[in-house]
Amino acid sequence: EADIYQTPRYLVIGTGKKITLECSQTMGHDKMYWYQQDPGMELHLIHYSYGVNSTEKGDLSSESTVSRIRTEHFPLTLESARPSHTSQYLCASSGTGVLSYEQYFGPGTRLTVT
Amino acid sequence: DAKTTQPPSMDCAEGRAANLPCNHSTISGNEYVYWYRQIHSQGPQYIIHGLKNNETNEMASLIITEDRKSSTLILPHATLRDTAVYYCIVFGGGSNYKLTFGKGTLLTVNP
Repeated sequence: EADIYQTPRYLVIGTGKKITLECSQTMGHDKMYWYQQDPGMELHLIHYSYGVNSTEKGDLSSESTVSRIRTEHFPLTLESARPSHTSQYLCASSGTGVLSYEQYFGPGTRLTVT
Repeated sequence: DAKTTQPPSMDCAEGRAANLPCNHSTISGNEYVYWYRQIHSQGPQYIIHGLKNNETNEMASLIITEDRKSSTLILPHATLRDTAVYYCIVFGGGSNYKLTFGKGTLLTVNP
């Protein structure tokens, strides 16, 4: 069973607020990822990190930012939330070597911006 | 990474085997075939992967054709809890660890 956690699970917030979605893993994985998924639609990679102090933008452009100061922690921040940010955000991690391609996903954060 | 093609949906009777096909005709020699599934908006779950040999674990079996251009995921005794979107993904063999999820196949297991 993978040990990757996301908080909050659900968040309803007003336009213009700053929010941070938390993601933590206890597996010591060096690689971490953020995906965005609208209901019934495909998952899209928005950010990834291959280690501490390393972050890259994913395939889908996003106004969010991420940081990786500690191996186990990969928070995602929206400086000013808008209704267009309403979506589900999924965090994942993967290990080293051949395990690099097995990603473990958290339960997701469902964000609603009103 | 090679592109994959999967049927958009399939049905299966509970207790029967579910066979989910995937075409990946442009797969390169060092790329693996990975299968994940996503149960109703939960985070995707890794199922199995293979390079060229058939693979089996406690969840499923993966059959890869000899030319590696297609594969089949087999759930031997499908249950209602196996209802999910199943993703076939081809990647690996390099330093790019990014997964690209397509639309997958929605498997509905019927009682």
